[in-house]
Amino acid sequence: DTGVSQNPRHKITKRGQNVTFRCDPISEHNRLYWYRQTLGQGPEFLTYFQNEAQLEKSRLLSDRFSAERPKGSFSTLEIQRTEQGDSAMYLCASSFARGPSGNTIYFGEGSWLTVV
Amino acid sequence: AQSVSQHNHHVILSEAASLELGCNYSYGGTVNLFWYVQYPGQHLQLLLKYFSGDPLVKGIKGFEAEFIKSKFSFNLRKPSVQWSDTAEYFCAVGGNTGGFKTIFGAGTRLFVKA
Repeated sequence: DTGVSQNPRHKITKRGQNVTFRCDPISEHNRLYWYRQTLGQGPEFLTYFQNEAQLEKSRLLSDRFSAERPKGSFSTLEIQRTEQGDSAMYLCASSFARGPSGNTIYFGEGSWLTVV
Repeated sequence: AQSVSQHNHHVILSEAASLELGCNYSYGGTVNLFWYVQYPGQHLQLLLKYFSGDPLVKGIKGFEAEFIKSKFSFNLRKPSVQWSDTAEYFCAVGGNTGGFKTIFGAGTRLFVKA
């Protein structure tokens, strides 16, 4: 049973460039989440999908950020025109939930982004 | 709004000492509570969770947590810590109010001296 897989694990980019991260959730998990974590902080919620539908986006997610989950399986998070403040660990998590309760999320190893 | 507050940002203990990490939450609906651990160089892992039933829940590696509804608390405990417990610990809350997202506290860094 494979866990949540993220790639690339590390990305260094110049300010102004676009970057894209991919997440492959645990198979058959119907919910997929993106979080951002900076040093000394807990994961901050960005957005989540149930199947292919993006159900919620945080106000942290500016217009430069976009996430997709086209077939309800893997997801991509794209950051356009990166800024130094975007430097962080981007975490993907997934869960399988039949209803509103009992939603345990499982994390991938994260993708480190450094904007120089 | 949902929120999680962890009382201590850094804790230093000697091996065999007892551990209690505080966590208070604000949540308006049916609450699910979690503790996650992040060992150095590793990803976040689930330590234990509470959905319903017995408010004292036991997790992996000898950890336990107690849900006290009247205090909006979910403190993590371990009777005797080991050097290998050195890690960052995150309390989290989720449920069916405000969407199905899970909200995390800022974390507590635990360092156990051998």
